[in-house]
Amino acid sequence: QQQVKQSPQSLIVQKGGISIINCAYENTAFDYFPWYQQFPGKGPALLIAIRPDVSEKKEGRFTISFNKSAKQFSLHIMDSQPGDSATYFCAASRSAGANNLFFGTGTRLTVIP
Amino acid sequence: NAGVTQTPKFRILKIGQSMTLQCTQDMNHNYMYWYRQDPGMGLKLIYYSVGAGITDKGEVPNGYNVSRSTTEDFPLRLELAAPSQTSVYFCASSPDSNQPQHFGDGTRLSIL
Repeated sequence: QQQVKQSPQSLIVQKGGISIINCAYENTAFDYFPWYQQFPGKGPALLIAIRPDVSEKKEGRFTISFNKSAKQFSLHIMDSQPGDSATYFCAASRSAGANNLFFGTGTRLTVIP
Repeated sequence: NAGVTQTPKFRILKIGQSMTLQCTQDMNHNYMYWYRQDPGMGLKLIYYSVGAGITDKGEVPNGYNVSRSTTEDFPLRLELAAPSQTSVYFCASSPDSNQPQHFGDGTRLSIL
C-alpha cells in the first residue's frame, strides 16, 4: 500500500518553463513533507521541506505548495534549467516517532534546452 | 567531510549466499536508516535505529537483519540472498526525528 502517491511518473519541460510535481497522502498524522532530488548513481538529497503549519514555502526557484484539507502537496520549479534534470521524490513522515520517511514513487524530470 | 559512506558500491551474489552491507557516518547522528529502492517504487524503509543498541523494523524487514553497536556504524545483513532482494540499498542518518535525513550513495546489489 503506497502511503504517498506521486504524479506524474515522468515530465519533460522546456528550459525556462515551470515544472510541477504533485503528491497526495492519506495519513493525517504526517507532519513533515520533504522533497528529495536524486541524480543517477547518487543518493537522494534534500531539496526543500514543509510542515503543515504553512501553506507555501519558497527557496530560490523551488516552491512547495501545501493543502492540508485536501491532503496534497506539490513542488514547483520555476525557470527550469537542464541541470534540474533528475528524479524527484516527495515523502512524508511523523516527526513524533522516528521520522521514518514514506516516499512517493518518483518523477523523472527532463529539462530540454 | 565524508557524511554517510556505504560499501561496497556494487555486488553480485548467488542465491543463498550471505553478505553484509556496510554503512558508517561521521556526523555523530543518533538516527540511522536502511532503505531499498526498486524501479518505479520509490524507497521503502527496511530497518532503523534511534541510537546504539536500539533497532526496529520498517516497512519491508523480511530477509534482513541489522545491528547497531556504535553510533557510527549500522550494517545490514542478508542471510540467505533471494532474487527478490535485487535492489539498490541506501543508508541514511539524521541527528534526531526533527532533522532531515542525509543519504549515502547506495549499494547496487544483484542476486542471480
